[in-house]
Amino acid sequence: KNEVEQSPQNLTAQEGEFITINCSYSVGISALHWLQQHPGGGIVSLFMLSSGKKKHGRLIATINIQEKHSSLHITASHPRDSAVYICAVRVRQGGAYNFNKFYFGSGTKLNVKP
Amino acid sequence: DVKVTQSSRYLVKRTGEKVFLECVQDMDHENMFWYRQDPGLGLRLIYFSYDVKMKEKGDIPEGYSVSREKKERFSLILESASTNQTSMYLCASSLPGQGGSFTFATFGSGTRLTVV
Repeated sequence: KNEVEQSPQNLTAQEGEFITINCSYSVGISALHWLQQHPGGGIVSLFMLSSGKKKHGRLIATINIQEKHSSLHITASHPRDSAVYICAVRVRQGGAYNFNKFYFGSGTKLNVKP
Repeated sequence: DVKVTQSSRYLVKRTGEKVFLECVQDMDHENMFWYRQDPGLGLRLIYFSYDVKMKEKGDIPEGYSVSREKKERFSLILESASTNQTSMYLCASSLPGQGGSFTFATFGSGTRLTVV
């Protein structure tokens, strides 16, 4: 069983639609990241959350620590939002080097049609 | 524009070949990482390095080794490529002390390796 589950795996929307991508996790975390990967392959960080809600432009991310669940919302979707969205949870790991361990969801492939 | 550059976008290699994947960053980052990305499995950490000549195993190091002789360059080596190493390989770098937090990490565009 994966520590991080995302749904849906694939999502097709019409331009302008409101989109929700869900992420559930089964481990104790110190933070959750939402990442965006464009067809070129490079990954960028959209949000880092440890509680509550964050908003950036048309993107909103929420997290419920008690329920171990996070959602990424895109309002007024646009074709340029087409990408793979990845949920990653950070688990603090001890040791001489304080490296954070991550578990990743398998991604949600979003296609927004004009 | 700061960046992480992976030397090849696509590679096709034969089973048993020794394969080198190169990654160079121009941000003077101490931390560098190699991930592989497979459908349905997401990203998995192969190795990371927090300083020149230093390396640590990630979650799936078997069949791989790494080299970091210079701060800006982190190489992933497949000693004897196998078909189950066909994947997308992503390199990343980050500032010291960030421990790989994605907020501060920069990723390369990836190398899609096919082993036939």
